[in-house]
Amino acid sequence: SQKIEQNSEALNIQEGKTATLTCNYTNYSPAYLQWYRQDPGRGPVFLLLIRENEKEKRKERLKVTFDTTLKQSLFHITASQPADSATYLCALVKGYSTLTFGKGTMLLVSP
Amino acid sequence: EPEVTQTPSHQVTQMGQEVILRCVPISNHLYFYWYRQILGQKVEFLVSFYNNEISEKSEIFDDQFSVERPDGSNFTLKIRSTKLEDSAMYFCASRGRGQADNEQFFGPGTRLTVL
Repeated sequence: SQKIEQNSEALNIQEGKTATLTCNYTNYSPAYLQWYRQDPGRGPVFLLLIRENEKEKRKERLKVTFDTTLKQSLFHITASQPADSATYLCALVKGYSTLTFGKGTMLLVSP
Repeated sequence: EPEVTQTPSHQVTQMGQEVILRCVPISNHLYFYWYRQILGQKVEFLVSFYNNEISEKSEIFDDQFSVERPDGSNFTLKIRSTKLEDSAMYFCASRGRGQADNEQFFGPGTRLTVL
C-alpha cells in the first residue's frame, strides 16, 4: 500500500524566512498530490494541488514542487508569518479522489 | 461562504452503544467522504459516497460502519457497536463536480469518545 512520509519533527523558523516541508511517498506515483493545512481541533483546509505533469505550482506565498522520479513533493511558504503556524498535510489522491494523508509536519513561526 | 457542518461537536458514548454522526455537506456537492483521526495520528480515509451509494471504502470501514444520505442534505455515519478504539475525531468532507483542483471541503469534525 502507499506510504507517505513527512518531516516527523516540528519545524521552527523565524518570521520572514522561507519554510520548506517535505513529502516522500513509496509505490505508485499518484495522478496528483494535494497539500492541506490543519489547525488544532479543526478539519484540514485545502491549499494547493499539483499534477504529475506539473513541476511547480504557486499561489501567493505558497509554492509546491513535484518530482515523480524522486517520489517527492516540497512545500514552501515564503515570508512566513506567525499566522502560518499549523500542521501541514500532504495527501495523495487515488480512486474516486479519496485522499491518503501523511502524518503532517507541524510548523512553528516565531515573531 | 458555504461550509460543511457536523453535529454533534463532541459525542461521549459507552462501549457497545450505537452512535450516529451527522454531516451537512455543501449544497451543490456530489461526492461525500468520511475520515477519522485518532489523537496524534494521521487523517485516515473511511468511505466515499456518490450517487447514493458507496464508491470506495477502506479496511477500517467494516460491518460495524454504515453511511446514509437519508434526504437531500444530510450525510450520516453510523457505528453500530462502538469499541474503545473507535475514539477519534471524525471528519466529513464533500466535493463538487468539475472543481479544477478536486479539493475536498472538510467539516469541523465530531470528537467521539468511547468509554
